[in-house]
Amino acid sequence: GAGVSQSPRYKVAKRGQDVALRCDPISGHVSLFWYQQALGQGPEFLTYFQNEAQLDKSGLPSDRFFAERPEGSVSTLKIQRTQQEDSAVYLCASSLGASSYEQYFGPGTRLTVT
Amino acid sequence: AQSVTQLDSQVPVFEEAPVELRCNYSSSVSVYLFWYVQYPNQGLQLLLKYLSGSTLVESINGFEAEFNKSQTSFHLRKPSVHISDTAEYFCAVRSNTGRRALTFGSGTRLQVQP
Repeated sequence: GAGVSQSPRYKVAKRGQDVALRCDPISGHVSLFWYQQALGQGPEFLTYFQNEAQLDKSGLPSDRFFAERPEGSVSTLKIQRTQQEDSAVYLCASSLGASSYEQYFGPGTRLTVT
Repeated sequence: AQSVTQLDSQVPVFEEAPVELRCNYSSSVSVYLFWYVQYPNQGLQLLLKYLSGSTLVESINGFEAEFNKSQTSFHLRKPSVHISDTAEYFCAVRSNTGRRALTFGSGTRLQVQP
């Protein structure tokens, strides 16, 4: 079956541009997570959805970061006015239920801000 | 708040030798513990997890990890590594109540040499 997919796989943005990163979770998965992975570091939590409700956004680094999941399936992470420190791999993960332990990760989107 | 420390950023080892990847964590609440593996150009995959019960957990490909509550450790071991085990390994924790986000360590790159 299909896993978590993310698009685009690579994105180059000039500083100040807005970007939108897409995540297609595994069909039927209730929970969806976004993580940011800087070069040489482990992933860091950004935000969590249960269906369409954003239940935890404590990891979003600034108000330039915004995520949505309007129909409880596909999610979009938007970064406004990108800065060089936003350069990272953005990972999406989904899990089956609200209390499921295992998170299934997508391949990530590598964002480079020049 | 939780934190995870992986002291070794790189571990070179010869094929068929044993290996141990170290993981220590800090948390004010009880946690679940995980090891994820990331092969080159692939997404994170769950290798094994400790939720409760027996403190020794095993994966299908010969890895094992032991939860040591007193030392707050969850080291990963394999008695005999293969070239195909070359990858980045991430230790992660999650609160067993409430917050569902994973907190990751910075990763250990296992490099198996022939």
